Amino acid sequence: GENVEQHPSTLSVQEGDSAVIKCTYSDSASNYFPWYKQELGKRPQLIIDIRSNVGEKKDQRIAVTLNKTAKHFSLHITETQPEDSAVYFCAASTGTASKLTFGTGTRLQVTL
Amino acid sequence: SAVISQKPSRDICQRGTSLTIQCQVDSQVTMMFWYRQQPGQSLTLIATANQGSEATYESGFVIDKFPISRPNLTFSTLTVSNMSPEDSSIYLCSAGRRDTGELFFGEGSRLTVL
Repeated sequence: GENVEQHPSTLSVQEGDSAVIKCTYSDSASNYFPWYKQELGKRPQLIIDIRSNVGEKKDQRIAVTLNKTAKHFSLHITETQPEDSAVYFCAASTGTASKLTFGTGTRLQVTL
Repeated sequence: SAVISQKPSRDICQRGTSLTIQCQVDSQVTMMFWYRQQPGQSLTLIATANQGSEATYESGFVIDKFPISRPNLTFSTLTVSNMSPEDSSIYLCSAGRRDTGELFFGEGSRLTVL
């Protein structure tokens, strides 16, 4: 089955700096890669996703890149703000609305 | 996006009892899943809830322990049977549509077993 690894497990950045979280996947059939943000005590919220036919996708301060050959994808957050502090999970699946395999999560802390 | 309601939001249960968690989606969805998230951990898929048929369980999860129903497209239940303290966790319902591809999560049901 699919295995998704995520690094780093914790990340602390100063407000205004950029943050990068990286994930690798094992199943070459995976073609859908969402990112979720989970604040303490809340449900995971989908923040951005990318499909295998696209190399990069951007939405305001967040962007995701995908390298199918290397089987890795990354989340980039620019101009970080304190409200970006949360746990971020990457995930992979083999189709739309298919079961997701999650990475282990990255706890991002944005300090003032 | 789909709105997913779960209940109960939390419960404290005694060892050996069973609890059923309900999940209701406000729109037509294709897929429904049940995940478990232990404190400070990632999300682990328990099973895919199939409409009108038996759920598809992931390795390490069995129907006798986690019976699942999905009588229609927008409603599913997960029962945690014969609970032990190791079952203390957050159980999350997830749902999505193939045409949009996105999966959304309910608020979760926090279960504590004493």
